[in-house]
Amino acid sequence: EVQLVESGGGLAQPGGSLRLSCTASEFSLRTLEMNWVRQAPGKGLEWISYISTSGSTLFYADSVKGRFTTSRDNAKNSLYLEMDSLRVEDTAIYYCAKNLPGSKWRPYSFDSWGQGTPVTVSS
Amino acid sequence: QSVLTQPPSASGTPGQRVTVSCSGSSSNIGSNSVSWYQQVPGTAPKLLISTNDQRPSGVPDRFSGSKSGTSASLAISGLQSEDEADYYCAAWDDSLSGFYVFGTGTKVTVL
Repeated sequence: EVQLVESGGGLAQPGGSLRLSCTASEFSLRTLEMNWVRQAPGKGLEWISYISTSGSTLFYADSVKGRFTTSRDNAKNSLYLEMDSLRVEDTAIYYCAKNLPGSKWRPYSFDSWGQGTPVTVSS
Repeated sequence: QSVLTQPPSASGTPGQRVTVSCSGSSSNIGSNSVSWYQQVPGTAPKLLISTNDQRPSGVPDRFSGSKSGTSASLAISGLQSEDEADYYCAAWDDSLSGFYVFGTGTKVTVL
């Protein structure tokens, strides 16, 4: 099973930026389609983005479109979520999650998840 | 705001069968596969069911999924204390430019 580890969370001011990272231990991310999912305190799960293995196909939730950018560096075995123009409502735990193989180049089923990294947006 | 609607809560005693429903529309459940996730509070979600009714390796056969039209269901038979958790359905939605949506979530309590 793929072990995913997120990092980069923390405190940011409204309007500020943060960059989250996701790496896989003892496994190459380059063959994996990946997603970011978040969970606000006491709330349900919210999918926010998907990236294909090459990075050429991207999908975003409307709530983050134009503010968040997902990318990957397969040479560094890393996935990134660049978060700009942060809002208080972006406060959440952010998870990276691996797509189950066999998708049609879009989010499908997420069969491995990281432990999550917390992001707090507050002045 | 989710387009997949689940009951907020469900409960049962140990050994009972509990079902959780997930109601969607033609643009999501009606035309795409449904997945189910289990989340014990304070931990990351875990995939329970993919492609409507497929259990990943390691998931007990007490968990089963089904889909009919624009609705899906998760059944837990032989309920155990460790099944107390939040459960979410999810599916791709073809509307607009497409997006993946989780259900509103159901808290399952073992009495």
